[in-house]
Amino acid sequence: DGGITQSPKYLFRKEGQNVTLSCEQNLNHDAMYWYRQDPGQGLRLIYYSQIVNDFQKGDIAEGYSVSREKKESFPLTVTSAQKNPTAFYLCASSTGQGRYNEQFFGPGTRLTVL
Amino acid sequence: AQTVTQSQPEMSVQEAETVTLSCTYDTSESDYYLFWYKQPPSRQMILVIRQEAYKQQNATENRFSVNFQKAAKSFSLKISDSQLGDAAMYFCAYRSPLDDMRFGAGTRLTVKP
Repeated sequence: DGGITQSPKYLFRKEGQNVTLSCEQNLNHDAMYWYRQDPGQGLRLIYYSQIVNDFQKGDIAEGYSVSREKKESFPLTVTSAQKNPTAFYLCASSTGQGRYNEQFFGPGTRLTVL
Repeated sequence: AQTVTQSQPEMSVQEAETVTLSCTYDTSESDYYLFWYKQPPSRQMILVIRQEAYKQQNATENRFSVNFQKAAKSFSLKISDSQLGDAAMYFCAYRSPLDDMRFGAGTRLTVKP
């Protein structure tokens, strides 16, 4: 079945540590996205990538980094510079800039900083 | 950046009844797309319905329909014959060819048996 997988589902991190969230898709989508979701707020865009080896900052990129070495994979690293990293993180993909480019979402990763 | 506003943080509906969730957006563009996503307790985001701005006809998907008022920049979601499985967070979203997907803050829908 085609879809998006994110791992792990729950992640705990000590303050000052970097942590990497995995996102893999087998939908053959060109574009991939990372969102952060906090209670009472909608999804906020962290980073996105329209093509392999290229990515752009979203609205809240500070303290995060990404890579896009393969079409299928778009890992997100939460660095120690991120001041409030506890949140729910969603990865999404889409076919690109087409007219009906809805985004398909993974199941999410809940990150808790201890 | 464009903004999307959902003015109802919470809504409730009796099972089998109809409920309407509100969404307004701010844009100066004429070509864009609007979406409603559902996020159940599993937190998996699921697309419910979508609307192209240049289409005047309101989109419909089974029990879900929209009331798209382009001049008023309004995009409400109507759920008919509500079911217990409709209980979820609902997010309105906007996207244009020149802009990323923008989400509202969400409306939590409770369905009472």
